[in-house]
Amino acid sequence: QKEVEQDPGPLSVPEGAIVSLNCTYSNSAFQYFMWYRQYSRKGPELLMYTYSSGNKEDGRFTAQVDKSSKYISLFIRDSQPSDSATYLCAMSAENAGGTSYGKLTFGQGTILTVHP
Amino acid sequence: SAVISQKPSRDICQRGTSLTIQCQVDSQVTMMFWYRQQPGQSLTLIATANQGSEATYESGFVIDKFPISRPNLTFSTLTVSNMSPEDSSIYLCSVRRGPGTEAFFGQGTRLTVV
Repeated sequence: QKEVEQDPGPLSVPEGAIVSLNCTYSNSAFQYFMWYRQYSRKGPELLMYTYSSGNKEDGRFTAQVDKSSKYISLFIRDSQPSDSATYLCAMSAENAGGTSYGKLTFGQGTILTVHP
Repeated sequence: SAVISQKPSRDICQRGTSLTIQCQVDSQVTMMFWYRQQPGQSLTLIATANQGSEATYESGFVIDKFPISRPNLTFSTLTVSNMSPEDSSIYLCSVRRGPGTEAFFGQGTRLTVV
């Protein structure tokens, strides 16, 4: 079993739809959770960064973390064709001096297409 | 945020040769990492580049194949040695200013080995 499982998609939605992207994880040491957007032939771009359980909103994006269920989500409201990309969840544990210090573990990515 | 410059952006190399990828950050950072993204796949950590000491490699990656240097807090190199077609991937540099901070990525180096 992988440490991080991401709904693989692909997803195809009409413009204006609400998109829900999800990841589950098994490592209870994960404390920091990130969502990245990656356009074709580009590096990952950080969208959202959260710590601990709860919601965080930034414009059309909302990140949700439920540590008790080991489940994170990214919601995109009023989706636009420019949101078409691969979305990656990532998480990290910060045990100083441990082998996991600072490194990110990624989900498999979800390809999203928003059509006009 | 951090501005990360990776060079080259892409290259096509002959098998058996080596390629060195450079990563330059616009300010000092505590942590630098090298990831690999194989075609259609997610990112896998190769190693943590430690300033002034040997890199820390993840399982499945060895120093002889992926030697890494980090001479200071703004610069690192990754060499892909004795390349084979299986090394064709995107190689990404990532930085974090410290524990519990965001991780930023360069634009990647797209390597094709023929």
